[in-house]
Amino acid sequence: EAGVTQFPSHSVIEKGQTVTLRCDPISGHDNLYWYRRVMGKEIKFLLHFVKESKQDESGMPNNRFLAERTGGTYSTLKVQPAELEDSGVYFCASSETGSDGYTFGSGTRLTVV
Amino acid sequence: GQSLEQPSEVTAVEGAIVQINCTYQTSGFYGLSWYQQHDGGAPTFLSYNALDGLEETGRFSSFLSRSDSYGYLLLQELQMKDSASYFCAVHTGGFKTIFGAGTRLFVKA
Repeated sequence: EAGVTQFPSHSVIEKGQTVTLRCDPISGHDNLYWYRRVMGKEIKFLLHFVKESKQDESGMPNNRFLAERTGGTYSTLKVQPAELEDSGVYFCASSETGSDGYTFGSGTRLTVV
Repeated sequence: GQSLEQPSEVTAVEGAIVQINCTYQTSGFYGLSWYQQHDGGAPTFLSYNALDGLEETGRFSSFLSRSDSYGYLLLQELQMKDSASYFCAVHTGGFKTIFGAGTRLFVKA
């Protein structure tokens, strides 16, 4: 079974630009999560999809961040316009039931300069 | 607020036993998980404790005390490949999981 895949693995952009991150969860997993880790800190929750619906987006930092999951398959996370403090590793995870262990992708390392 | 506390770094010798502690303060609690992450890789699920007590999976064991809001991950017969970051995580309900800042384990020869 293919795991959770994220694209790109790395992205370096200038402040003010737009970046879109993509996550392909494990096929059949209704639950999809976005997390972010800023260097040395906790893996912080951003939001949770159940199929195409946003179940919980309480962790989204501000309205510069927009997540979508059209059709309930892959998800995108867009940052527009990017700021320096948005730098970090963005992880996507999926889960079949939501209460079992998550399967994470390898993350996208975003650097805003 | 909600928080999970775990040591930032632990160093141990190959073949030894190491315990990584985690204390938590959350608004809801359904269970405690542990994840391992090697540099540049994906966090990988190790274990899940919903009830008090010790769960053993090979060289790794995980313990939970709900009354103390405390758990630990025990790694036995340490190997060099165990060098990684270990995250504790709490399922708080509503299918939401919050993570600690991770403990970086260094295994020395």
